[in-house]
Amino acid sequence: QVQLQESGPGLVKPSRTLSLTCTVSGGSINTGGYYWSWIRQHPGAGLEWIGYIYYTGGAYYNPSLKSRLIISIDTSNNQFSLKLSSVTAADTAVYYCARTSDYGDSFDIWGQGTMVTVSS
Amino acid sequence: DIQMTQSPSSLSASVGDRITITCRASQSISDHLNWYQQKPGKVPKLLIYRASNLETGVPSTFSGSGSGTEFTLTISSLQPADSATYYCQQSDRTPLTFGQGTKVEI
Repeated sequence: QVQLQESGPGLVKPSRTLSLTCTVSGGSINTGGYYWSWIRQHPGAGLEWIGYIYYTGGAYYNPSLKSRLIISIDTSNNQFSLKLSSVTAADTAVYYCARTSDYGDSFDIWGQGTMVTVSS
Repeated sequence: DIQMTQSPSSLSASVGDRITITCRASQSISDHLNWYQQKPGKVPKLLIYRASNLETGVPSTFSGSGSGTEFTLTISSLQPADSATYYCQQSDRTPLTFGQGTKVEI
């Protein structure tokens, strides 16, 4: 079955760039029918969609983050990535990657999540 | 952005009870509404997609209904394992947005 796994630093200094990678196993990322999403959850809070990317490279971003955000896809390694620049403490959160069905844009498979803390 | 508002924010009920959570959208979203369950420290789990479709493997005690701006998630017979926070999410247009969550205590 398809599984997703986030990887990247758990601690990022303010003003630096947060970089995370999601590795997809058990299935190909290079297929239609799905978008590949990033979602975050601030401590004790709700869920925020960051953006998603299609296997063709077309990406959609949350306007609230768009000026600082790049989502990319590497089909040869079955991975997609997030880069969020100029981070502040407000970017401290659990970051999830998720498979997004293009029938209903529902997040049907999630990674386990990775906690990222922005602190000097 | 489409705002999603859930009610109540929390509820307490007993095993076997029928409970309903409401999600309202700030504008019509047709049936583009999904529901998730998140237990403490765990990953959200998809329960219902496109308002009323039960995700594979989800118990039939869960059901969803609604269209337009008002939606409901119903648990017909509450079980101890249903203690969690439930989120709605609209998928009608980007940015995709979630409700603030409803915490269900048994």
